[in-house]
Amino acid sequence: QKEVEQDPGPLSVPEGAIVSLNCTYSNSAFQYFMWYRQYSRKGPELLMYTYSSGNKEDGRFTAQVDKSSKYISLFIRDSQPSDSATYLCAMTGGTSYGKLTFGQGTILTVHP
Amino acid sequence: DADVTQTPRNRITKTGKRIMLECSQTKGHDRMYWYRQDPGLGLRLIYYSFDVKDINKGEISDGYSVSRQAQAKFSLSLESAIPNQTALYFCATSDDDRALGYTFGSGTRLTVV
Repeated sequence: QKEVEQDPGPLSVPEGAIVSLNCTYSNSAFQYFMWYRQYSRKGPELLMYTYSSGNKEDGRFTAQVDKSSKYISLFIRDSQPSDSATYLCAMTGGTSYGKLTFGQGTILTVHP
Repeated sequence: DADVTQTPRNRITKTGKRIMLECSQTKGHDRMYWYRQDPGLGLRLIYYSFDVKDINKGEISDGYSVSRQAQAKFSLSLESAIPNQTALYFCATSDDDRALGYTFGSGTRLTVV
């Protein structure tokens, strides 16, 4: 079993929808939780990160971490066609500090 | 110019051939990483280096080797390529010991036939 599990999708939604992307993990030492966005044939880019449990909001994006359930989520409000990409969760902590463990990535398509 | 440059962008090679993928960065970061990406498997760590004299194996290092020639350069070699090494390879850098905010290159698409 992988340390980080992410539903690969694909996910297809209409423009304006609320999107929910999720990951679960097994390593309780993970402390920092990140979401990366990857456009086709590009390297991933950091969207946002959260330390420990709680919520963090950045514009239309909200990251949520529940360490008790080992579950993290990314919500995208008012989704746009330009949000179409692969979204990857990543985490680090404990003996893994200094390197990231990624989920499988979820392919999202937002259609007009 | 890109902060993290990977060459080549695309490569097709034959089984058994030796191949080197190169990564150079202008970020001034000490930490460099090599990942491979496969559909359904996400990004998996091959090797990483926290400074010029430090090389560490990741979760899937078998069949690969690396060289950290300078702070700015980190090369990945496949000594004898095999078809299941066909993948998208990414180099990344970081200046943070918590690995926050990796900067990725644009990737090398490698096909082994």
